[in-house]
Amino acid sequence: NAGVTQTPKFRILKIGQSMTLQCAQDMNHNYMYWYRQDPGMGLKLIYYSVGAGITDKGEVPNGYNVSRSTTEDFPLRLELAAPSQTSVYFCASNGKAGIFSYNEQFFGPGTRLTVL
Amino acid sequence: AQSVAQPEDQVNVAEGNPLTVKCTYSVSGNPYLFWYVQYPNRGLQFLLKYITGDNLVKGSYGFEAEFNKSQTSFHLKKPSALVSDSALYFCAVRPDTGRRALTFGSGTRLQVQP
Repeated sequence: NAGVTQTPKFRILKIGQSMTLQCAQDMNHNYMYWYRQDPGMGLKLIYYSVGAGITDKGEVPNGYNVSRSTTEDFPLRLELAAPSQTSVYFCASNGKAGIFSYNEQFFGPGTRLTVL
Repeated sequence: AQSVAQPEDQVNVAEGNPLTVKCTYSVSGNPYLFWYVQYPNRGLQFLLKYITGDNLVKGSYGFEAEFNKSQTSFHLKKPSALVSDSALYFCAVRPDTGRRALTFGSGTRLQVQP
């Protein structure tokens, strides 16, 4: 299994440009998440999904959009990039363990985004 | 709303000495607690978790953590530190019901000196 994969690894955007960060997992996990990590800070939840076709906002959703058309993919869209979106973005997933869903989250390697 | 506090930005310890990285939490209901480690330019790697049962949890690479409900703490420990343990450590919590997304602490940088 490749686990959780993210593309691209690095990207520089100009203010106002748009882009999509790709995330895919091959573990058949129901739950997927997008976090951002700012320097010296912990991870903040942007959006999450509990299954194909179902998404919901996290703590810091403004300026982002997501979709979940398949179990495997969970892309994050930035429509009008702003310098405040300069960050490292991590995608994560986890699956249900029987009647409990407390499995640890598996993280992708991250996308480092700079908006100038 | 849940929260996690990691009171130390950095912990310095000599190789071979025991290490402790502190974490306290706040959550409604019963907590599910996690420790993750992040090496430079890498994603987060799972170390260990507390769900229920024994308060002392053993995890990867010789790490362990002790859950203390009365003090709402989940400190990470290792009996003998290695230089290769130097990394950024994150504590995270989620409640046992409701949304499954984690709330992370701000991280503690562990520096192990040879």
